[in-house]
Amino acid sequence: SQELEQSPQSLIVQEGKNLTINCTSSKTLYGLYWYKQKYGEGLIFLMMLQKGGEEKSHEKITAKLDEKKQQSSLHITASQPSHAGIYLCGADGRSTDSWGKLQFGAGTQVVVTP
Amino acid sequence: ETGVTQTPRHLVMGMTNKKSLKCEQHLGHNAMYWYKQSAKKPLELMFVYNFKEQTENNSVPSRFSPECPNSSHLFLHLHTLQPEDSALYLCASSHGTGLNSNQPQHFGDGTRLSIL
Repeated sequence: SQELEQSPQSLIVQEGKNLTINCTSSKTLYGLYWYKQKYGEGLIFLMMLQKGGEEKSHEKITAKLDEKKQQSSLHITASQPSHAGIYLCGADGRSTDSWGKLQFGAGTQVVVTP
Repeated sequence: ETGVTQTPRHLVMGMTNKKSLKCEQHLGHNAMYWYKQSAKKPLELMFVYNFKEQTENNSVPSRFSPECPNSSHLFLHLHTLQPEDSALYLCASSHGTGLNSNQPQHFGDGTRLSIL
């Protein structure tokens, strides 16, 4: 099965500063999803990347997919308190026996301080 | 996210009790999922249903019994659970019919389950 490693496990960033989270896969990445979760709540879909080199942005969040490195990064510019939470990456194996089976990383906890 | 609704939000039960978790999606999706999220562990996929048919049982103990009467509703029946089953149980749905669906899963807010 595919394993996803996220780094860092947690980070504390001052409001207004930038931050980057990485997600590295043990196998080829065909589809990579980024979610955000507040403690004890459900996952909120942020972005989906499908092609190598693809980059998507929404408001102050940018995600990139590096197919060769089997890695994706999530970058937040000028962080705000609303960006605090747990960020998870998920990937699908894109094969006949893995449809619907999203594997998730352990998550990165982001704390934004004043 | 209000498209996927889970009830109850919190549940405390003894090991001999029988209870059910409910999930309802209003997004017109055809696939539904149960996940388990334990402290300090990655999200674990439990079951997958596609058009009401179970397509995945990820080696889940039989004390967890899923039911999908239609594409909009998903249940997780619980009986004789163990303390290690205490976790956040998340339901998700997606509009996917196979490899080329490329559709994200949308999650409910989960049921926080505590086993005494």
